[in-house]
Amino acid sequence: GESVGLHLPTLSVQEGDNSIINCAYSNSASDYFIWYKQESGKGPQFIIDIRSNMDKRQGQRVTVLLNKTVKHLSLQIAATQPGDSAVYFCAEAGDYQLIWGAGTKLIIKP
Amino acid sequence: DTGVSQDPRHKITKRGQNVTFRCDPISEHNRLYWYRQTLGQGPEFLTYFQNEAQLEKSRLLSDRFSAERPKGSFSTLEIQRTEQGDSAMYLCASSLLPNEKLFFGSGTQLSVL
Repeated sequence: GESVGLHLPTLSVQEGDNSIINCAYSNSASDYFIWYKQESGKGPQFIIDIRSNMDKRQGQRVTVLLNKTVKHLSLQIAATQPGDSAVYFCAEAGDYQLIWGAGTKLIIKP
Repeated sequence: DTGVSQDPRHKITKRGQNVTFRCDPISEHNRLYWYRQTLGQGPEFLTYFQNEAQLEKSRLLSDRFSAERPKGSFSTLEIQRTEQGDSAMYLCASSLLPNEKLFFGSGTQLSVL
């Protein structure tokens, strides 16, 4: 079946630097994607979404980039803070469910 | 708090017992979803409601699992004759549009001993 995957299971970033979390998807027909942040013991928290008719979307300190040619998504977090420590998931919208990757753990170094 | 609420937060049960979880979605959301998540993995879809109608069920949802949303508001997920393999975080989410901008609750962590 179709799947969404992440390139790196763990990413360590210096506090204050920018973070880039990558994600590959396999269904070229997908038209909607979401990034979630999940802290330990909590449910996934919606960060930002993007439709396939866009290449880029910005939120507060976050930017999502979509490259449909290579079926690749990225989440950029500006000026990473300790509170950004979490597991980040990209998810692809299927007909009635979200298809999730395994997640990337973001570690912030002081 | 106007987010998605789940109860209980934690449940420890013995194998063979029945358990029931409750989810209260965001009030204006007519779509409600149940997912299951194990450590280090992304959530797995279980079932989906639009109002009170259960529109989709995953093949993961065995006969021991049943979900209801009787009045189109809160939902319950029951697991009968629990097995150790049922141990997981059970997540509920709701949305206004189908499969867009899902907002999740904090989950119910089930441990089957």
